[in-house]
Amino acid sequence: EDKVVQSPLSLVVHEGDTVTLNCSYEVTNFRSLLWYKQEKKAPTFLFMLTSSGIEKKSGRLSSILDKKELSSILNITATQTGDSAIYLCAVPTFPTGNQFYFGTGTSLTVIP
Amino acid sequence: EPEVTQTPSHQVTQMGQEVILRCVPISNHLYFYWYRQILGQKVEFLVSFYNNEISEKSEIFDDQFSVERPDGSNFTLKIRSTKLEDSAMYFCASRGSGTGDTGELFFGEGSRLTVL
Repeated sequence: EDKVVQSPLSLVVHEGDTVTLNCSYEVTNFRSLLWYKQEKKAPTFLFMLTSSGIEKKSGRLSSILDKKELSSILNITATQTGDSAIYLCAVPTFPTGNQFYFGTGTSLTVIP
Repeated sequence: EPEVTQTPSHQVTQMGQEVILRCVPISNHLYFYWYRQILGQKVEFLVSFYNNEISEKSEIFDDQFSVERPDGSNFTLKIRSTKLEDSAMYFCASRGSGTGDTGELFFGEGSRLTVL
């Protein structure tokens, strides 16, 4: 059965810390992995990864995919209170790409 | 920036009643979805819709549920005879076209359904 697993489930850090969030997947016909940030309501898109070993970066956030290990990490450096959210990892199924499997998410709390 | 809009933001209903959740996907998108998230649990796929028909559905999406695109803009989820366990946040999402497209899903703000 296809699945996406995230770890840790929750994390509490102080402002300025660096965090690493993990996502592992077991999905047939893998094509891409997406990271989302969910604050109060709707998940908002962060990154889409399709190629192994190529880092995607946006400000203090970066992410990389490892197809050998069937995993991805999301790094956040110099965390701020505004980074507090649930971070979701999602993998679309193929060939249709219609169904996205979501992990349970990692709840990040950044303390001032 | 184009966005997916959903109404209502919150609906409270009595068990056994029917509810309709509405969504306006991004206008040039072709793939539409409903997901739900029970409080404290993962986001779960319900159904995908393409070319005016259901393209995939999960085990959750049984006869109690139906989707419709009544006109060129709205995409609705109907839940018949609601049960307590239907209480959840329901997210509508859409994405652009393309064969085997790996594009991101754009989510609406969600409709919180509370069944009493």
